[in-house]
Amino acid sequence: GAGVSQTPSNKVTEKGKYVELRCDPISGHTALYWYRQSLGQGPEFLIYFQGTGAADDSGLPNDRFFAVRPEGSVSTLKIQRTERGDSAVYLCASSKGDRGQTQYFGPGTRLLVL
Amino acid sequence: QQQVKQSPQSLIVQKGGISIINCAYENTAFDYFPWYQQFPGKGPALLIAIRPDVSEKKEGRFTISFNKSAKQFSLHIMDSQPGDSATYFCAASYVSGTYKYIFGTGTRLKVLA
Repeated sequence: GAGVSQTPSNKVTEKGKYVELRCDPISGHTALYWYRQSLGQGPEFLIYFQGTGAADDSGLPNDRFFAVRPEGSVSTLKIQRTERGDSAVYLCASSKGDRGQTQYFGPGTRLLVL
Repeated sequence: QQQVKQSPQSLIVQKGGISIINCAYENTAFDYFPWYQQFPGKGPALLIAIRPDVSEKKEGRFTISFNKSAKQFSLHIMDSQPGDSATYFCAASYVSGTYKYIFGTGTRLKVLA
């Protein structure tokens, strides 16, 4: 596909469980971002990758959250010991990586922690 | 400050009317200001963006007005249509490193047929 894809589209889990959310960016895009969007709010920045490295992880709320991008393409956001407050839509975006380039967003993964 | 303040929270406009959404920021280091449109269950999609070296940018029915001295920018949707009913987010980013977006809280627009 031409756009950013995210899987799964929906994830329901129980408090304390571990979850992985996957993002496939647009081919050739070197920059990848994760955002979290709570109900009725704007997306909030979590982490930014330039290539394989996390260039800015200042938005990760705590050490239960971790993300990787081992080959500079697909990225996985990992959440350990999930809490009910982690329930949100997790959005992934990619861009060509240069200043001011448009970020293209995926449809998001809706995470519900029971 | 990293905040971007957006108003109004919700807006109802008649078909054919003008929809106006406003945003304000504090950090003068911001240098890129995009607007995104989001439909329920979908990811945000770029509508239009502006840099602070211009005061206005128009693309079709969508116009951004930018006031650098007041640190404010706004989205104008001309001839609003029911298909424009969505949530609109302003955002800001700056060149110092990561280009991450700081989003406003969103405006839910409803255009009445």
